[in-house]
Amino acid sequence: SYVLTQPPSVSVAPGQTAKITCGGNNIGSKSVHWYQQKPGQAPVLVVYDDGDRPSGIPERFSGSNSGNTATLTISRVEAGDEADYYCQVWDSSSDVLFGGGTKLTVL
Amino acid sequence: EVHLVQSGAEVKKPGESLRISCKGSGYSFTNYWINWVRQMPGTGLEWMGRIDPSDSYINYSPSFQGHVTISADKSISTAYLQWSSLKASDTAIYFCARKHDYSTFDPWGQGTLVTVSS
Repeated sequence: SYVLTQPPSVSVAPGQTAKITCGGNNIGSKSVHWYQQKPGQAPVLVVYDDGDRPSGIPERFSGSNSGNTATLTISRVEAGDEADYYCQVWDSSSDVLFGGGTKLTVL
Repeated sequence: EVHLVQSGAEVKKPGESLRISCKGSGYSFTNYWINWVRQMPGTGLEWMGRIDPSDSYINYSPSFQGHVTISADKSISTAYLQWSSLKASDTAIYFCARKHDYSTFDPWGQGTLVTVSS
């Protein structure tokens, strides 16, 4: 079955750029979505179809996807960006899949 | 505005049954699949299954097939997740989420905390 691999944690100073990766076999051929989940809250879609943003999501959030790695990039990181981030794909053999999640810490 | 509102937290004993709900508003409920996602304490998101409210066609994740039942009542725009015999390992937060474009989940319900303890 298909597996999505995320680093457990990423740390970044305010104002810097955070990059959160999501690894999977030939993930570049799939459409990758990213969710932000703050403590005690439901997940929120922040990037869909590799790099598009839903309305209301700041332009600081962007995404890319190529080869075996998809990346969520958060520019000019703010304290309010501290959260868990999950990638998600649809796979023909595994159906809906989530990555294990990455905890973003703003130093 | 599109909303999914879930039923409140539950505390149950092992062996008891339970049904939690997810009510959609602000859109045509029968036009979008409803998914259920589990989040066990301190862990990540696990997809459980989905239902097409228009005809109640259901897909289950193999990990949850036979352990839970998903249903919907389109007349009241509500989807359900139920257990016939709860276990302590069912303790988790359960989210419903609407399947939107590109197979994204948007929006999500606020989550229902289910605690199973003797």
